[in-house]
Amino acid sequence: GAGVSQSPRYKVAKRGQDVALRCDPISGHVSLFWYQQALGQGPEFLTYFQNEAQLDKSGLPSDRFFAERPEGSVSTLKIQRTQQEDSAVYLCASSLARTGPYEQYFGPGTRLTVT
Amino acid sequence: GQQVMQIPQYQHVQEGEDFTTYCNSSTTLSNIQWYKQRPGGHPVFLIQLVKSGEVKKQKRLTFQFGEAKKNSSLHITATQTTDVGTYFCAGPIGYYGQNFVFGPGTRLSVLP
Repeated sequence: GAGVSQSPRYKVAKRGQDVALRCDPISGHVSLFWYQQALGQGPEFLTYFQNEAQLDKSGLPSDRFFAERPEGSVSTLKIQRTQQEDSAVYLCASSLARTGPYEQYFGPGTRLTVT
Repeated sequence: GQQVMQIPQYQHVQEGEDFTTYCNSSTTLSNIQWYKQRPGGHPVFLIQLVKSGEVKKQKRLTFQFGEAKKNSSLHITATQTTDVGTYFCAGPIGYYGQNFVFGPGTRLSVLP
């Protein structure tokens, strides 16, 4: 079946530009997560949605980062006025479970390069 | 804040040798998950451990969760070239227990 998809797969932005990264989770998955992965590092949590509700955004590094999931399915991570330190792979993951331990299914990621 | 550490950072083994990576948390975990990320790929879920002292096996892979639920290990017997990748452990944080702190990973290279 279809997995988690993300678009675009690669994005080059000039410093100061705004970008929008899209995530299509597995159909029916309640939970959706965004992670930032720098080269050679583990994924770092950014934010978590349960359906359309953003229950935790404690990992967003600054107010330039904004995420939404208005209808409880597709999610968008927006970064305003991009900086070079924003260069990373942005991973989206979804999970079927609403609560408790669960398996996360990751998408292929969007590699963002800020020049 | 909660920290999850892993050792070693890198491991190079000859095909057929065994491999072990260790994961340590600064706090007690309700559960721990392991993921594998192939070069250029995305993390793929391997297993979840919930009970203190739990041991689970998947073919050549053996996962353990410590008695104090603060550490875990992944052991691969007789490595194969298909085992190449980075292995991450992850533990839940946050009120809802839905956010996970990932360790920095152990990168495994297998020489044929």
